[in-house]
Amino acid sequence: EADIYQTPRYLVIGTGKKITLECSQTMGHDKMYWYQQDPGMELHLIHYSYGVNSTEKGDLSSESTVSRIRTEHFPLTLESARPSHTSQYLCASSEGDNLSNQPQHFGDGTRLSIL
Amino acid sequence: AQSVTQLDSQVPVFEEAPVELRCNYSSSVSVYLFWYVQYPNQGLQLLLKYLSGSTLVESINGFEAEFNKSQTSFHLRKPSVHISDTAEYFCAVPTGGFKTIFGAGTRLFVKA
Repeated sequence: EADIYQTPRYLVIGTGKKITLECSQTMGHDKMYWYQQDPGMELHLIHYSYGVNSTEKGDLSSESTVSRIRTEHFPLTLESARPSHTSQYLCASSEGDNLSNQPQHFGDGTRLSIL
Repeated sequence: AQSVTQLDSQVPVFEEAPVELRCNYSSSVSVYLFWYVQYPNQGLQLLLKYLSGSTLVESINGFEAEFNKSQTSFHLRKPSVHISDTAEYFCAVPTGGFKTIFGAGTRLFVKA
């Protein structure tokens, strides 16, 4: 049973459109993450947040942006989608302070296809 | 630099047979280790974790993993698999702070 929710689950959309992928969690976690997942590859961190008004880019360069106005909400936006953005996007959260090694809780993902 | 290597991309196995999914890591700091499982069309779920103490850790559904510092390994094992264990399994090393390094995953196929 997921305490972290992603919408939409699937999205097929044309090139050039603006897209927002939603992620919400009900656990009160300060730390939240966005990963990109492609078949046979490790998860790549594209954005993370330590808390409200804190966002940072991850290891994988991404043309997306994120915001963190509320603890529970961490949306990801693509201003102009391209076919290279086709992938699965996973949102996650974790508890603990900045030096914590707590496991992450994942949503079920958004599978994005750009035509 | 820290890294995680999962040595097998796919492991086919018959139902009720034993299975081992291999994971090796490199780390220059204190080690914490996780295994996550991803069922089709779902996100990752924590299967088990090693933080400290006993080197053998177990999950509620019969999986176990052993932390071996000298071999830098954290292999996942189950003595008898079920069809429902078919999934992708990820080994992961949290590095402290915000970052967790994930392996590329091992796809376990359990055949009847």
